[in-house]
Amino acid sequence: QVQLVQSGAEVKRPGASVKVSCKASGYTFTSYAMQWVRQAPGQRLEWIGWINTGTGNTKYSQKFQGRVTISRDISASTAYMHLSSLRSEDTAVYYCARSRAHGDFFFDYWGQGTLVTVSS
Amino acid sequence: SSELTQDPAVSVALGQTVRITCQGDSLRNYYASWYQQKPGQAPVLVIYGKNNRPSGIPDRFSGSSSGNTASLTITGAQAEDETDYYCNSRDSSGNVVFGGGTKLTVL
Repeated sequence: QVQLVQSGAEVKRPGASVKVSCKASGYTFTSYAMQWVRQAPGQRLEWIGWINTGTGNTKYSQKFQGRVTISRDISASTAYMHLSSLRSEDTAVYYCARSRAHGDFFFDYWGQGTLVTVSS
Repeated sequence: SSELTQDPAVSVALGQTVRITCQGDSLRNYYASWYQQKPGQAPVLVIYGKNNRPSGIPDRFSGSSSGNTASLTITGAQAEDETDYYCNSRDSSGNVVFGGGTKLTVL
């Protein structure tokens, strides 16, 4: 069965960076893209970016451009989301989700979420 | 950048039919997908494409689209359907956007 398992909760100081991992299993890793989405407490879902796991090409939301890097390790079937220059407003649950790399994007499997808390 | 607009809150009587809508220019070219999110849980895909349900999603959930508006319909709403619903789509550049979410109350 398809599973996306994310790394554990993180607490970071303002100005630091965080790297969240997402290990995929139960399917061919490079046949699907990996999306990253976050949700601040009580707020809406917010798209961060995605990676074509086959080619390594990435696309980022303009809001996070320059602060986020999404990467993957094909041998480990794992995608990563690195966010730098953290501020309190980055406190959120971060999710990875699988999608197709072409046509309509629908996120059919999601990780369990990783809580990132930014606090001094 | 593209946006998707949802009504913040919708209510429905138990057993009745409710439609949740999502509006945006990107929907003229790409289908919306719909997610149900219960408190403290990851979102779950309930409708994608023209009107497709993933395995395990009850058939009371259905989707439709016309012009710049996509709709999620729940026919015979149940108490367990009371939660938040989000739509999303993409644009031609590969950007993804989510709607603001709709909180469904089942009376």
